[in-house]
Amino acid sequence: QSVLTQPPSASGTPGQRVTISCSGSSSNIGSNTVNWYQQLPGTAPKLLIYSNNQRPSGVPDRFSGSKSGTSASLAISGLQSEDEYDYYCAAWDDSLNGWVFGGGTKLTVL
Amino acid sequence: QVQLQESGPGLVKASQTLSLTCTVSGGSIISGGYYWSWIRQHPGKGLEWIGYIYYSGTTYYNPSLKSRITISVDTSKNQFSLKLSSVTAADTAVYYCARGSSNNWAFDFWGQGTLVTVSS
Repeated sequence: QSVLTQPPSASGTPGQRVTISCSGSSSNIGSNTVNWYQQLPGTAPKLLIYSNNQRPSGVPDRFSGSKSGTSASLAISGLQSEDEYDYYCAAWDDSLNGWVFGGGTKLTVL
Repeated sequence: QVQLQESGPGLVKASQTLSLTCTVSGGSIISGGYYWSWIRQHPGKGLEWIGYIYYSGTTYYNPSLKSRITISVDTSKNQFSLKLSSVTAADTAVYYCARGSSNNWAFDFWGQGTLVTVSS
């Protein structure tokens, strides 16, 4: 059972806009920034979004992040087949005094 | 470009201690502003933070694993290490080392990961 809650799956067609949600609590998302990671099974995660909505160098601007209260979202616009990854949200938890992750969302491009 | 590489046994017997080392290249482990972390992923599951260490030796551990974890740093070798004692089958996972940045408070560089299987 992950501390942050994500839908296990999401899907969309090429060109569509898809959002992935991440729900937490006041001790994590509610009081700290959210990061998003992209992972192809069998490979290491890659930082996709940090500080709620910032993209590291090299990440296309099709990817965007937002946060409101104790929830966060990752949006992918202009969906492409190469976006088929697992996506994880993460935040520091002040109560646990450690990092917590979402359970991950598998994105399928139909 | 910073690179991290995990090394250690891929098979550990139950009740023994899992030991892994992460070698950092392309940057110094004593550079301020970074925390050197261990994260694991059980087969087919999500990510679980294990703990991290600053180059000074200050550590933060996942409370659920704290009693069994030791993370240490060897600045002379630009390495940091994980020891997890009294392992069981539930500790079978891919173990990643990663660099956390105090600047963006995120894990910005990751090792490729190493699968550790606990046998009975």
